[in-house]
Amino acid sequence: ETGVTQSPTHLIKTRGQQVTLRCSSQSGHNTVSWYQQALGQGPQFIFQYYREEENGRGNFPPRFSGLQFPNYSSELNVNALELDDSALYLCASSLAGGTGAEKLFFGSGTQLSVL
Amino acid sequence: AQSVAQPEDQVNVAEGNPLTVKCTYSVSGNPYLFWYVQYPNRGLQFLLKYITGDNLVKGSYGFEAEFNKSQTSFHLKKPSALVSDSALYFCAVRDLSSNTGKLIFGQGTTLQVKP
Repeated sequence: ETGVTQSPTHLIKTRGQQVTLRCSSQSGHNTVSWYQQALGQGPQFIFQYYREEENGRGNFPPRFSGLQFPNYSSELNVNALELDDSALYLCASSLAGGTGAEKLFFGSGTQLSVL
Repeated sequence: AQSVAQPEDQVNVAEGNPLTVKCTYSVSGNPYLFWYVQYPNRGLQFLLKYITGDNLVKGSYGFEAEFNKSQTSFHLKKPSALVSDSALYFCAVRDLSSNTGKLIFGQGTTLQVKP
């Protein structure tokens, strides 16, 4: 186990709704990244937060937003849900060393189904 | 653009036989390469990484990977497969155009080890 916890584990929403996913980082880690893993695909980078600031974003629209809190836990918010948003959402924490060589510690993910 | 390719959707080996899961990459500059494993209903777990140095990298659970710059490959290997190694394996490269720890993942390869 990595020490990264995500909630909820499963979620069912309807198109147009909004959803909030939560992540608790491994103790001591100050960086959190979110990835979207569609069925049969590799994870795709959504964004990264370092010390409560977004410091990198992938090719996702603005309706995907996030927060990082002083205790380094994080939220991923998705507005105006679309059917294609159905995926496994993974949170990963790390201790940013600035080299990019650090390994990521992943949670088990939240499986989101949009109907 | 940086990318990672895993040419095999599935690899089947018999328990006790050596296994290889293939990965090729395309980056400008020196790559940071990673292998992660995903078990059913779980997040990704770090196996090993290549940053610099010896081309043969040893990782968790007896896995190793060989970095080959001329062939732009980073194949994952294990001398003797176990049934418990059956899982989904992802190769990833750090996005060097980003100042974050963003990883670009391959599509994944399912490893099936049969008794």
